[in-house]
Amino acid sequence: EDQVTQSPEALRLQEGESSSLNCSYTVSGLRGLFWYRQDPGKGPEFLFTLYSAGEEKEKERLKATLTKKESFLHITAPKPEDSATYLCAVQARGRDDKIIFGKGTRLHILP
Amino acid sequence: GAGVSQSPSNKVTEKGKDVELRCDPISGHTALYWYRQSLGQGLEFLIYFQGNSAPDKSGLPSDRFSAERTGGSVSTLTIQRTQQEDSAVYLCASSLAGATSNEQFFGPGTRLTVL
Repeated sequence: EDQVTQSPEALRLQEGESSSLNCSYTVSGLRGLFWYRQDPGKGPEFLFTLYSAGEEKEKERLKATLTKKESFLHITAPKPEDSATYLCAVQARGRDDKIIFGKGTRLHILP
Repeated sequence: GAGVSQSPSNKVTEKGKDVELRCDPISGHTALYWYRQSLGQGLEFLIYFQGNSAPDKSGLPSDRFSAERTGGSVSTLTIQRTQQEDSAVYLCASSLAGATSNEQFFGPGTRLTVL
């Protein structure tokens, strides 16, 4: 069964304290792995898509990496405005429809 | 241009009543998704439309849930005989094409509360 597990559930960091969020997945052939950011009361906002092991993508203080079993979202020198819930999702090859989301990591950056 | 819009933003209803939730996707987006997000939980996939057709309805939680999309644009999610466990935020997303463009644009959601 296709599955996505994110850890930790919640993370509190001091401003400037770098860290990583983990997304472990099992899927019958990965088409794509996605990272989204969700602020309270809003819909998720797209960050990255990764397609194959070894791929990396960056955006400002965020960098996403992918292996055959997991993805990491690295946050470098975070700022309070990076506080949000970060969601990971996977899409299986041959399945145009279903996208499976993890439960997310709630990140709180203290000033 | 305009993003994905959903209405109503909030809906409070009594147990047993029917509710209809609406999603207006981004113009030109052929793929449309419905998700449910309960408090502290991730997004639960409900149904996907490519154009007007939904190839897989197995994600719908029960036969009280139905969805349709007309004209390849607006979609409605209908919940009949609502139950308290239906309380959640219902999110809609659209993308250019489900198969090739993976960036989904989400609406703000409809918060449903069943009393």
